[in-house]
Amino acid sequence: DAKTTQPNSMESNEEEPVHLPCNHSTISGTDYIHWYRQLPSQGPEYVIHGLTSNVNNRMASLAIAEDRKSSTLILHRATLRDAAVYYCILILGGNTPLVFGKGTRLSVIA
Amino acid sequence: DTEVTQTPKHLVMGMTNKKSLKCEQHMGHRAMYWYKQKAKKPPELMFVYSYEKLSINESVPSRFSPECPNSSLLNLHLHALQPEDSALYLCASMSGSGLTGELFFGEGSRLTVL
Repeated sequence: DAKTTQPNSMESNEEEPVHLPCNHSTISGTDYIHWYRQLPSQGPEYVIHGLTSNVNNRMASLAIAEDRKSSTLILHRATLRDAAVYYCILILGGNTPLVFGKGTRLSVIA
Repeated sequence: DTEVTQTPKHLVMGMTNKKSLKCEQHMGHRAMYWYKQKAKKPPELMFVYSYEKLSINESVPSRFSPECPNSSLLNLHLHALQPEDSALYLCASMSGSGLTGELFFGEGSRLTVL
């Protein structure tokens, strides 16, 4: 069962910021929020993860709502190479494996 | 070396054939995964190995037989497959712990069953 809800698709213009939303209303206190993306013809790749605080890395930022029921992946300047399917995944407390939901297909327009 | 290497990249097999997919990583990761991905669908978890022992089997049919000979190597043995088993098979290894660990994926082996 997918425990996250994401829009099926989004579109962005190149060099503009992109905000990819994810709802996870059943999240519990020990669940981590992970984001992966899958570029065309490649395996998925890790983007970022967080628990409560906002997180930044070289690829993206993760903004987590105060009640943790939603989060947003932020790509600060979309490039054509960012066109991919983005997956928001909850890692449940305990040793549970990564289970992918349907993800959001991001298109970037030049 | 932050790579997961999968071979072969492409495989075509008949329903009576026996073949194997291979996955290798040299990052010292102790958890390794097999996923199956059909076109335009998300990856589906098949098996998880932790410290070379099978820890999760997501009710995968026995015509798929995983093997972890050592901590760097993961195989998926295929026998008597069906055409609907045609898919991209992805291998991954995990750094760190399950809650905060990062999965490293290979590029996949694209399997066609005739």
